[in-house]
Amino acid sequence: GAVVSQHPSRVICKSGTSVKIECRSLDFQATTMFWYRQFPKQSLMLMATSNEGSKATYEQGVEKDKFLINHASLTLSTLTVTSAHPEDSSFYICSVRDTNVYGYTFGSGTRLTVV
Amino acid sequence: DAKTTQPTSMDCAEGRAANLPCNHSTISGNEYVYWYRQIHSQGPQYIIHGLKNNETNEMASLIITEDRKSSTLILPHATLRDTAVYYCIVRVGRSQGNLIFGKGTKLSVKP
Repeated sequence: GAVVSQHPSRVICKSGTSVKIECRSLDFQATTMFWYRQFPKQSLMLMATSNEGSKATYEQGVEKDKFLINHASLTLSTLTVTSAHPEDSSFYICSVRDTNVYGYTFGSGTRLTVV
Repeated sequence: DAKTTQPTSMDCAEGRAANLPCNHSTISGNEYVYWYRQIHSQGPQYIIHGLKNNETNEMASLIITEDRKSSTLILPHATLRDTAVYYCIVRVGRSQGNLIFGKGTKLSVKP
């Protein structure tokens, strides 16, 4: 199946700053990637669908101006959390749909802490 | 996608089989049953999927009832590293959309 690399694994930033998270599909050309957020003791919630070469599709309640998604190539999607607040502290996970095995491959996640 | 119901938590002794149930009574004919697991602070990991027949791979076995309204994921010899949240997800096999995660079952494997 696909191999997905997510970076960084952990990041601490100050309130008001921006943080970029990268998601790379290492061996698979992904026209679509998914970004999830997971708060402690909760399940994964889809934030947005990232489409190569076009605008991302955001889920209801997710601010597109705050969570900027860029999917400029078939192997890289980035999520930028702008003007971060402590309530943005969460576990962010990307995913690629792996058509070879009818499944999805996930990145290892990024633990964001905003102080 | 059909809704699934799983127990909130289960315990299993190390070395024993872990049997994780999932109810999906509204599953339709073209929907597959997928299982993923999430070890603490990691991304979810694909385990297995099936449509009608029982399936087995190097990680687990999937038993689907004849009426397809429920299934059981079996980890034949659970280890401490199998402690994780296990998600049962039902969806159309070639659907392009995202996976929708429920609350899953927290499996604790104890020595």
